[in-house]
Amino acid sequence: GQQLNQSPQSMFIQEGEDVSMNCTSSSIFNTWLWYKQDPGEGPVLLIALYKAGELTSNGRLTAQFGITRKDSFLNISASIPSDVGIYFCAGPVGETSGSRLTFGEGTQLTVNP
Amino acid sequence: NAGVTQTPKFQVLKTGQSMTLQCAQDMNHEYMSWYRQDPGMGLRLIHYSVGAGITDQGEVPNGYNVSRSTTEDFPLRLLSAAPSQTSVYFCASSYFTGSGNTIYFGEGSWLTVV
Repeated sequence: GQQLNQSPQSMFIQEGEDVSMNCTSSSIFNTWLWYKQDPGEGPVLLIALYKAGELTSNGRLTAQFGITRKDSFLNISASIPSDVGIYFCAGPVGETSGSRLTFGEGTQLTVNP
Repeated sequence: NAGVTQTPKFQVLKTGQSMTLQCAQDMNHEYMSWYRQDPGMGLRLIHYSVGAGITDQGEVPNGYNVSRSTTEDFPLRLLSAAPSQTSVYFCASSYFTGSGNTIYFGEGSWLTVV
């Protein structure tokens, strides 16, 4: 099936630094989703992207839908300790594309105070 | 995560036992699905449903059954538990907005098979 390659696998940063992670695919996606998962919790939707080239912000988070429709980027500015968690990119698969997702392997973010 | 409720939160099973993970959503979403999450891996789709009475297999369906008798509920059944089914299970629901879809997850069910 379609696979998403997410990088980096992990990041260790100091509080206040900016963070950037990306996701690539060999297939075209019509939607890109970015989720955050806190320990012991389910993934929570951060940003949804629906158009190639779209740039969307949610507070300190900014995500972009690549023009080729095969990649997406998530940036976090001025990181804080509560940004710690696993960040996943995801895209819909199949004809009924609202029903299921394929996920990247995740980026584990650690923020040192 | 509000609106998608999973039970139980934690469960320990013996090999060969059967059990059902419950999932309910109160958002009137058409689509529901089950994923499992293993260390170092993203979520993988087990089964999904595009409406009441309709289910289909995902990426890793073996050893699991589902049914969708109502819009609200989508239980996942382990027929004969195996240690390889030790994992964290997430139920999700979604709807089509016309401009795209967003999928919302429950808080997860931690299952250990010994």
